[in-house]
Amino acid sequence: GAVVSQHPSRVICKSGTSVKIECRSLDFQATTMFWYRQFPKQSLMLMATSNEGSKATYEQGVEKDKFLINHASLTLSTLTVTSAHPEDSSFYICSARPKEVGGYTFGSGTRLTVV
Amino acid sequence: QKEVEQNSGPLSVPEGAIASLNCTYSDRGSQSFFWYRQYSGKSPELIMSIYSNGDKEDGRFTAQLNKASQYVSLLIRDSQPSDSATYLCAVNFYNQGGKLIFGQGTELSVKP
Repeated sequence: GAVVSQHPSRVICKSGTSVKIECRSLDFQATTMFWYRQFPKQSLMLMATSNEGSKATYEQGVEKDKFLINHASLTLSTLTVTSAHPEDSSFYICSARPKEVGGYTFGSGTRLTVV
Repeated sequence: QKEVEQNSGPLSVPEGAIASLNCTYSDRGSQSFFWYRQYSGKSPELIMSIYSNGDKEDGRFTAQLNKASQYVSLLIRDSQPSDSATYLCAVNFYNQGGKLIFGQGTELSVKP
């Protein structure tokens, strides 16, 4: 139980285009979803906290107009990387904290490559 | 000071030995602490969670928490080559909306 499904697992896009990443909570309601980014050999850096029905809270240094987060339902949160550039290439991971689980559950991650 | 700090390693131990991983954190109000294991290219997987001072054991893993010293550790007994991975310490920053903040991770290598 308490699975977070993340899609796509890999995406390659051209510079200047936008990419949408979806995270769904399959068997629980996620009122809050966290979005992380991980560069090679580095740790997970929290980008933003997504709250169902309200605006996301972005961490310092994260451009909210570039990384659009939508959390329109209790089971779905999306991250859209707009006007992607090669420096946006990274591993993006979402996370939620189901009440039934003693920790945070992570999606399987999305490897974004911008060419 | 980083919010959550770990030795980046790499830490190398022989098979069968005890691996000791350490983590310190800055927020005295933190209540929840987690150890995750991450294999290259994969998402983190939860190994242990600990909420109270003292030791918590689960199989070959023991988490230790000392809130007064703002210190949490993970011991892996009888280390196996399959334990080779990056271990991430994560702290729930309760006073910051429940954000989970990660340390930079410690790369563990268990040599056969």
